[in-house]
Amino acid sequence: DGGITQSPKYLFRKEGQNVTLSCEQNLNHDAMYWYRQDPGQGLRLIYYSQIVNDFQKGDIAEGYSVSREKKESFPLTVTSAQKNPTAFYLCASTLGGTARNTQYFGPGTRLTVL
Amino acid sequence: QQQVKQSPQSLIVQKGGISIINCAYENTAFDYFPWYQQFPGKGPALLIAIRPDVSEKKEGRFTISFNKSAKQFSLHIMDSQPGDSATYFCAASTGNQGGKLIFGQGTELSVKP
Repeated sequence: DGGITQSPKYLFRKEGQNVTLSCEQNLNHDAMYWYRQDPGQGLRLIYYSQIVNDFQKGDIAEGYSVSREKKESFPLTVTSAQKNPTAFYLCASTLGGTARNTQYFGPGTRLTVL
Repeated sequence: QQQVKQSPQSLIVQKGGISIINCAYENTAFDYFPWYQQFPGKGPALLIAIRPDVSEKKEGRFTISFNKSAKQFSLHIMDSQPGDSATYFCAASTGNQGGKLIFGQGTELSVKP
């Protein structure tokens, strides 16, 4: 099965902890994206990467970090600097890194801060 | 100028009726306008998309209407079914921003049997 996998599905974090969300794709897509979804606010872009070893900040990058060491993997770390991290996090990928190619989304990770 | 404004926030339609969701944008450089459908607990999936060189695109029961001069576009779902109950997001992008999509706030559609 080709697609995007995200793990874990649910994640609980204590105040002051860093946590890493996994995103893997076997679609051979060049570009990968991380979005945050909050009720009534749509999807907001955190970081994106068009090629391996390169990534750019999105609209709400503060308190987050990413790496892109392999084409198929784009993990997101939510650091303790992110003051309100409780949200639904979605990873996406697209072929060629242009918006005219369909973005395929993973099933998401729901992060809750205790 | 990067915003995409979507309305209504929620919509209730009877089975067989027409669901209409509207979006407006300011950035005239946007040149790609997709709609995504999201079921609870799942990631969004592309439903239909349009470019500004056409005024309408139809795929089955789903139609996008595009008004370039008004900077508005809308999704029409004909013969709405309970299985269409989901959250719908409009989005917009330019061709030179690495595939970045700007999403609207979402519309929660409920189709009553």
